[in-house]
Amino acid sequence: SQQGEEDPQALSIQEGENATMNCSYKTSINNLQWYRQNSGRGLVHLILIRSNEREKHSGRLRVTLDTSKKSSSLLITASRAADTASYFCATAPSGSARQLTFGSGTQLTVLP
Amino acid sequence: KAGVTQTPRYLIKTRGQQVTLSCSPISGHRSVSWYQQTPGQGLQFLFEYFSETQRNKGNFPGRFSGRQFSNSRSEMNVSTLELGDSALYLCASSLSGQGPPNSPLHFGNGTRLTVT
Repeated sequence: SQQGEEDPQALSIQEGENATMNCSYKTSINNLQWYRQNSGRGLVHLILIRSNEREKHSGRLRVTLDTSKKSSSLLITASRAADTASYFCATAPSGSARQLTFGSGTQLTVLP
Repeated sequence: KAGVTQTPRYLIKTRGQQVTLSCSPISGHRSVSWYQQTPGQGLQFLFEYFSETQRNKGNFPGRFSGRQFSNSRSEMNVSTLELGDSALYLCASSLSGQGPPNSPLHFGNGTRLTVT
């Protein structure tokens, strides 16, 4: 079963615009991670935010985490055609369970 | 450093057969996880190995099994294949030791299994 639900399922924007994707989850977490997947390939880690952090930046990426609402958002600024991919959030549970649980993903298309 | 390597890249099998997939982690990574990805179910956790021991197992039938060798390389096996086993099987390695997974996963490009 999937811990996270992502919204929207699909997003289409023009190059240069910002893209925002949201992730909601159900149980308490140790950290939340975002990954990107190009079609038919493996996932690439983008950013990790711990449960005691509220915001994190990496280049054109900005991630926020609201543990009270059990939600996170990923913002990609000044998008490029090369950002076209599926984006997944993954939660690492607090406690003894070890596996990352992935959301359903957002398919982002950036039009040139 | 070389990335995570999965072989083979593509595989076509017939119902009832068995299959073995291989994964070589990044050098120095002792944790190896396996995921199944399908359009309908998304990414589903199969199992995780650390130092040749299975530490965690997902909700899959016993037909799915795995192992890890002393050099951290891992294999997963699926016996008595069913049509529904058609999927992209992804292997990931990490530096994560004890406790919650607080290190990024590094994924291979997967093995695309088609069962006919």
